[in-house]
Amino acid sequence: DIVVTQSPDLVAVSLGERATINCKSSQSLLYNSNNKTYLGWYQQKAGQPPKLLIYWASARESGVPDRFSGSGSGTNFTLSIGSLQAEDAATYYCHQYFSTPYTFGPGTKVEI
Amino acid sequence: EVQLVESGGGLVQPGGSLRLSCAASGFTFSTYWMHWVRQAPGKGLEWVSRLNNDSDILDYADSVKGRFTISRDNAKNTVYLQMTALRVEDTGVYYCARAVPGGSFLPYWGQGTLVTVSS
Repeated sequence: DIVVTQSPDLVAVSLGERATINCKSSQSLLYNSNNKTYLGWYQQKAGQPPKLLIYWASARESGVPDRFSGSGSGTNFTLSIGSLQAEDAATYYCHQYFSTPYTFGPGTKVEI
Repeated sequence: EVQLVESGGGLVQPGGSLRLSCAASGFTFSTYWMHWVRQAPGKGLEWVSRLNNDSDILDYADSVKGRFTISRDNAKNTVYLQMTALRVEDTGVYYCARAVPGGSFLPYWGQGTLVTVSS
């Protein structure tokens, strides 16, 4: 099974500042035949289902503000939230969908 | 508008069974893979199972394999999760989610249904 880890567990950032969350997988998530990286990022607020932010490691989901960006390749990935807003306070999860069983990272809580 | 509405959660004793349902609307249900993901109280997300549109490809997390069964009724636009031999550690909110065509990330989620396994 692919193990996905995240760091840090908690990020405390001031309004307007940048937050960076790291995600690492135990094996490459790049599928060579289509050159796509099977890594996504989700945001979850208390009492709500997860919301997809990023897919294919760096593609932003429709309607997601452009202050959210994903980067990385292979086994190392980053979610960046530029100019943090109050509504960005949430827990963020990375998710590998390269192979089953699909796995999520343990989550990173962003506090403002 | 895509809508996913889970039902069937509740309180069950260890060793018991429960069947969750997820009613879908707003899209052509029969053409999409469907997934179940769960979340224990105060914990992270755990992928549980997936099923393709023709019901001939099923996958499960190791933690539920042999105890849970995913199925679907394309005529009723509904996906199910039959859970047996339930354990205390199966407690949590169960979400159904719809995948994208040709990929397995999950842009659409239901609000979830709570399953509590306790004596």
